[in-house]
Amino acid sequence: DIVMTQSPDSLAVSLGERATITCKSSQSVLSSSTNQNFLAWYQKKPGQPPKLLIYWASTRQSGVPDRFSGGGSGTDFTLTISGLQAEDVAVYYCHQYYDSHTFGQGTKLEIK
Amino acid sequence: EVQLLQSGGALVQPGGSLKLSCEASGFTFTAYSMNWVRQAPGKGLEWVSYLSGSGSASYYADSVKGRFTMSTDKDKRSLYLQMDDLRVEDTAVYYCARGENAYSSYWNYWGQGTLITVSS
Repeated sequence: DIVMTQSPDSLAVSLGERATITCKSSQSVLSSSTNQNFLAWYQKKPGQPPKLLIYWASTRQSGVPDRFSGGGSGTDFTLTISGLQAEDVAVYYCHQYYDSHTFGQGTKLEIK
Repeated sequence: EVQLLQSGGALVQPGGSLKLSCEASGFTFTAYSMNWVRQAPGKGLEWVSYLSGSGSASYYADSVKGRFTMSTDKDKRSLYLQMDDLRVEDTAVYYCARGENAYSSYWNYWGQGTLITVSS
């Protein structure tokens, strides 16, 4: 199984500042045939289902604010929130769909 | 509008069985693969199972293999998760989820979640 490891486990950032979450996979999730990274990011708030933010590592889902961006390739990925808003407080998960499905353990984002 | 409406939660004894449902609307039900994902209290997300749109292919996480079974009822436009031999560690909120297109393996449509508690 591909193990996904996020860092940090929790993060406190001031409003308007940048938050960066990293996700590392135990093996590459880059397809050599399609040159796509099978990696998504979700936002999870209590009492709500997960919300898809990013797929193919860097493609923003329709309707997601452009302050959310994804990057990386192979085994190392980042989710960046530029200009943190109060409504961004949540737990963020990376998800690999290259080989079955596994999620990172989650990163709790709070306001400093 | 795509909607996934899940059945209500339940309390089940260890070793018991339960069938979750997820009613779909706003799309051609049989054209899309579907998944179940769960979140145990205070824990992260865990993929549980997958069923192809045709119903011909299914996959399960090792933690539920042999105990859980996905199925569909096309007339009722519903997806089901039959859960047998339930264990305390199966306690979680269960979500049904669908991708953007028929073959998407990332999910942008989710049910509201169903809390299943396994306890004596």
